[in-house]
Amino acid sequence: NAGVTQTPKFRVLKTGQSMTLLCAQDMNHEYMYWYRQDPGMGLRLIHYSVGEGTTAKGEVPDGYNVSRLKKQNFLLGLESAAPSQTSVYFCASSRHNYGYTFGSGTRLTVV
Amino acid sequence: AQSVSQHNHHVILSEAASLELGCNYSYGGTVNLFWYVQYPGQHLQLLLKYFSGDPLVKGIKGFEAEFIKSKFSFNLRKPSVQWSDTAEYFCAVNGGANNLFFGTGTRLTVIP
Repeated sequence: NAGVTQTPKFRVLKTGQSMTLLCAQDMNHEYMYWYRQDPGMGLRLIHYSVGEGTTAKGEVPDGYNVSRLKKQNFLLGLESAAPSQTSVYFCASSRHNYGYTFGSGTRLTVV
Repeated sequence: AQSVSQHNHHVILSEAASLELGCNYSYGGTVNLFWYVQYPGQHLQLLLKYFSGDPLVKGIKGFEAEFIKSKFSFNLRKPSVQWSDTAEYFCAVNGGANNLFFGTGTRLTVIP
């Protein structure tokens, strides 16, 4: 089925470890986004991309890096994980700058 | 800067009760407005959207929302809720930026 696929779905990291979250979409969407969702804070934008090879910072970019080498993939990296990065991470894509299709999320725990 | 306020953090209703969830945004220009729903353990799904035209928009599952430009509001309504409507509801706005701005969400609990 067409849509947005996130891997992995769950992950536990130790403080200081690194990891990469992968987001893949097969809808030929130009825009891709990484959000984090925390209780009582809604969704906050980490980074986004308006096209292949481009990335931009969102509301809460510190501690994260991203890459969009291929149009269909948007990677979110944590270089040195911290407990404050414990969250649920959602990727989304869209043809325009609205009308998102969301992935199923990645639940990350940093201990 | 654009922002969205959802003043109801948690709403508890009995089945068949009517629902209205508030959403106010801050942006002076033309906006696109959205309501998303997140069922427990799932990702966000689009309920309805407003771009232009009739300010009363109808979405899936009997939900509707009214855009009142003078009040910068886009409240979500449903005449009669069901237990299956238990979920978290997010209002979002796009006023020409490259992304959507989301509210903090309203958790709806429907008691059978």
